[in-house]
Amino acid sequence: GAVVSQHPSWVICKSGTSVKIECRSLDFQATTMFWYRQFPKQSLMLMATSNEGSKATYEQGVEKDKFLINHASLTLSTLTVTSAHPEDSSFYICSYTANSYNEQFFGPGTRLTVL
Amino acid sequence: GDSVTQMEGPVTLSEEAFLTINCTYTATGYPSLFWYVQYPGEGLQLLLKATKADDKGSNKGFEATYRKETTSFHLEKGSVQVSDSAVYFCALVGFQKLVFGTGTRLLVSP
Repeated sequence: GAVVSQHPSWVICKSGTSVKIECRSLDFQATTMFWYRQFPKQSLMLMATSNEGSKATYEQGVEKDKFLINHASLTLSTLTVTSAHPEDSSFYICSYTANSYNEQFFGPGTRLTVL
Repeated sequence: GDSVTQMEGPVTLSEEAFLTINCTYTATGYPSLFWYVQYPGEGLQLLLKATKADDKGSNKGFEATYRKETTSFHLEKGSVQVSDSAVYFCALVGFQKLVFGTGTRLLVSP
């Protein structure tokens, strides 16, 4: 299957700082990507969907000014958590879709801890 | 809205035991159903899928049958291995978005 990487895999930051997470598709070009967050022992919750070159569509309850998504190219997307607070601590996962069967290819995730 | 319910874990089994992880769903229409697996330190990988009622998805010895009458998509494997230890997520596609269950951790001991 397709390979998706995320960087960093784990980040610790102080409250009030911003953190950028990169998501790359390594062996295919994808037009649609997704960002999820996962709390311990809970399901993955979709945060936003974006298509390359256009603005992201955020799910209800997700602050678009706090979670900035840049889908700069067909192989790179970034999620920036601005002015992070401890409640933003979570596991963030990106995925891409590369075909019409809704199959998504997931990155390994980034664990964010805000002190 | 659409939702997926799967059994809580962890499920602890000995090698070669029979595995069942229950999954039921609520959805409008007839969604496609998926099982994803997440090995330690890795991203979610598609394990198998079924796109219509009575379809059976299978891969790596795992099977799941799309049961419309019981709105279920239970995951089964006849003989688990230590290497099957992972977290398993049941999911459906509703309105072009994946909806996940909470995941079930499987621990297989030698």
